[in-house]
Amino acid sequence: AQSVSQHNHHVILSEAASLELGCNYSYGGTVNLFWYVQYPGQHLQLLLKYFSGDPLVKGIKGFEAEFIKSKFSFNLRKPSVQWSDTAEYFCAVRQAGTALIFGKGTTLSVSS
Amino acid sequence: GAVVSQHPSRVICKSGTSVKIECRSLDFQATTMFWYRQFPKKSLMLMATSNEGSKATYEQGVEKDKFLINHASLTLSTLTVTSAHPEDSSFYICSATGTIYNEQFFGPGTRLTVL
Repeated sequence: AQSVSQHNHHVILSEAASLELGCNYSYGGTVNLFWYVQYPGQHLQLLLKYFSGDPLVKGIKGFEAEFIKSKFSFNLRKPSVQWSDTAEYFCAVRQAGTALIFGKGTTLSVSS
Repeated sequence: GAVVSQHPSRVICKSGTSVKIECRSLDFQATTMFWYRQFPKKSLMLMATSNEGSKATYEQGVEKDKFLINHASLTLSTLTVTSAHPEDSSFYICSATGTIYNEQFFGPGTRLTVL
């Protein structure tokens, strides 16, 4: 079955530490890839997306992600996290004409 | 990006009653709308996909008679939770896309609490 896997369930970091959240998917063919963030008590916000072209995608708030087709991966990175990055992060995958399917999410806790 | 609204943002109802949640695309024609359910500290689970003017397609395990979805126009879809029970309490999020877009836009969600 098609699926999206996020390996890290809960990540705890200190401010200024670097972040990398893993995401793998099992779809064949062309996919669109997304990372969303959900701050406590708020709704989903799109961080970044990949459709085609440069596999290194830059998003908002200093986040970036790299699409590695051979590894079916789309990992999210940030060089230096802030306390305000504390949130739930979701990787999501979509094939043309179908709905977004989400990973289980990663809770990021950043201590100041 | 395009804007999707949901109403109400919160609703509390008694067990056995029905609740209707509206999802609107404010500045584009939403040919396809999606309904997701999110449990506390959990991911979004796709419930159903609806195309304007057609019957919704429900994901496996979702009761179509309990979660009635109507997508009667290009800007409005509704989700009606019929005979609600406490286990239906959840965060319901709609999403929409149109022919000119290749991504989905999300509404702010509706918190349903069934007493």
